[in-house]
Amino acid sequence: GDSVTQMEGPVTLSEEAFLTINCTYTATGYPSLFWYVQYPGEGLQLLLKATKADDKGSNKGFEATYRKETTSFHLEKGSVQVSDSAVYFCALSPPGGGSQGNLIFGKGTKLSVKP
Amino acid sequence: GAGVSQSPSNKVTEKGKDVELRCDPISGHTALYWYRQRLGQGLEFLIYFQGNSAPDKSGLPSDRFSAERTGESVSTLTIQRTQQEDSAVYLCASSWKGRAGGELFFGEGSRLTVL
Repeated sequence: GDSVTQMEGPVTLSEEAFLTINCTYTATGYPSLFWYVQYPGEGLQLLLKATKADDKGSNKGFEATYRKETTSFHLEKGSVQVSDSAVYFCALSPPGGGSQGNLIFGKGTKLSVKP
Repeated sequence: GAGVSQSPSNKVTEKGKDVELRCDPISGHTALYWYRQRLGQGLEFLIYFQGNSAPDKSGLPSDRFSAERTGESVSTLTIQRTQQEDSAVYLCASSWKGRAGGELFFGEGSRLTVL
């Protein structure tokens, strides 16, 4: 079945460091891909998304490129801030939304940014 | 309200007791989802409501779990005869439409602890 695998955390970085959180997926066809973020004490919120191969999603300095050839959607940011400390979830939506219309999530990667 | 509201935010119960968790989605959202997040795990799909269609219950882990939704409004997730393995954060999300190519809006979750 469809699945998402993302790198294990926690990830601890110093402020202004470069961030990469790896995400790979298994799916038939062309799913839509998402990154959600969960800040401490808050619900998950959409960070960025890409709906077709080679699309790049971007928001708040974060980027991820939909790579069909490597079935990947890695999250990157050139210079992280303390306020980026959160749990990041990679997710996919099967082509056409799937039978349930739900998203399939990875396990989440906790990022801590130290000043 | 402006966002998805869940209650209670925290619930501690004894093994064998029944619990009810409530979700109030964003007004106008036809689709509503329940997910479970166990410690250190990803989000596990439980159930999906879309408008007046029959709900997709394929993710419910056992017959102790049930959920109802009143029209396109409030939903209640009920866990009967709780077990320790039911301890988790239960997340509710809503969206404009069932096809999850769109964005899901999450509540802050209800943390359930079964002693």
